[in-house]
Amino acid sequence: TQLLEQSPQFLSIQEGENLTVYCNSSSVFSSLQWYRQEPGEGPVLLVTVVTGGEVKKLKRLTFQFGDARKDSSLHITAAQPGDTGLYLCAGLEDNNDMRFGAGTRLTVKP
Amino acid sequence: DSGVTQTPKHLITATGQRVTLRCSPRSGDLSVYWYQQSLDQGLQFLIQYYNGEERAKGNILERFSAQQFPDLHSELNLSSLELGDSALYFCASSVAGHNYGYTFGSGTRLTVV
Repeated sequence: TQLLEQSPQFLSIQEGENLTVYCNSSSVFSSLQWYRQEPGEGPVLLVTVVTGGEVKKLKRLTFQFGDARKDSSLHITAAQPGDTGLYLCAGLEDNNDMRFGAGTRLTVKP
Repeated sequence: DSGVTQTPKHLITATGQRVTLRCSPRSGDLSVYWYQQSLDQGLQFLIQYYNGEERAKGNILERFSAQQFPDLHSELNLSSLELGDSALYFCASSVAGHNYGYTFGSGTRLTVV
């Protein structure tokens, strides 16, 4: 059982559409990170959120940390084929363990 | 190039053998983490070293061991290999605090035949 549940597991959309992926847990995290991983490469850090309710924007990507610091969402506006990849969330527990979710595999078709 | 270097990129070996994976962290990073990624398990934390000392252990098998050397590079040793050990092995590094995020290498793809 994953400590961090990511949904959906797979998502296939057309270029230009908007999407939201979710990262949920019953645990409280001191911080949460989002990574994007492309085939044959390691995950690349997109953002770290620390404060409950925090919202961070990175161009067309908007990240939100839940008020209770148990969940997070990633919203992509006007998706592009270059956004294709595996999106992973990772939560830092109070004991300093970092837990990764299984990821959402996004495909954006031209 | 993320700054974290992993070698080799690919490794094919037989069951029962032993292999060593190598990682050089990003310049200035003191922490090194090893992760295993397989299709059905996702990213699984194996072990962390900080400035040469073991800091945390995750789901690392007894057949696996690691160390971090004075120059901060790290090696992951996998022995008595089994078919189920086939996976991507990633090394990541960070500055002392987790909140800065991890920088991952490109991984070593291990295939046990």
